[in-house]
Amino acid sequence: DIVMTQTPLSLSVAIGQSASISCKSSQSLKYSDGKTYLNWVFQSPGQSPKRLIYQVSKLDSGVPDRFSGTGSETDFTLKISRVEAEDLGVYYCCQGSYSPLTFGSGTKLEIK
Amino acid sequence: EVQLVETGGGLVQPGRSLKLSCVASGFTFNNYWMSWTRQAPGKGLEWVASITNSGGSTYYPDSVKGRFTISRDNAQNTLYLQMNSLRSEDTATYYCTRELGAYWGQGVMVTVSS
Repeated sequence: DIVMTQTPLSLSVAIGQSASISCKSSQSLKYSDGKTYLNWVFQSPGQSPKRLIYQVSKLDSGVPDRFSGTGSETDFTLKISRVEAEDLGVYYCCQGSYSPLTFGSGTKLEIK
Repeated sequence: EVQLVETGGGLVQPGRSLKLSCVASGFTFNNYWMSWTRQAPGKGLEWVASITNSGGSTYYPDSVKGRFTISRDNAQNTLYLQMNSLRSEDTATYYCTRELGAYWGQGVMVTVSS
């Protein structure tokens, strides 16, 4: 199984500052069709998860452009510029390139 | 608006069975793969099962293979998860998702305990 390693496990960021979360996979996530199925999923406290980004860098509908995803092969990053209070919660990376689908352990974002 | 509404959760004894349902609306159900993902209390996310849009193929991780069965009724826009031989480690909130997480339901709690 592909292991997804997220760092840091938690971070505290002031409103208006930026945040960055790293996700590393144990093997390349580039699939045979040339696409890389790396998603970022966000879960605010007490709520269902919500996908923010798919295929490394494509924003889901309604996701503010303060969020961006970059990376390739095994190294990926989620960046949040200008953090807002509503960004508080847990962020998970998730690979869908190879079965079984696997998630990172999550990064908890707190507002300083 | 895409909506996924799960039902069927509850308290069940170890070794018993439970069947979850997920009614979908707001999109053409038979055009999409569907999945179940779970979250144990205070823990992270774990994929449980996926099914192709026709229902012809299903996929599971080793942790539930042989015990859980995903199925769908495209005429009723409904996804199912039959869970047999339940264990305490299956205690979690179960989410229905479109594809591999494009949309998520509100979740349904399953507690396996004697």
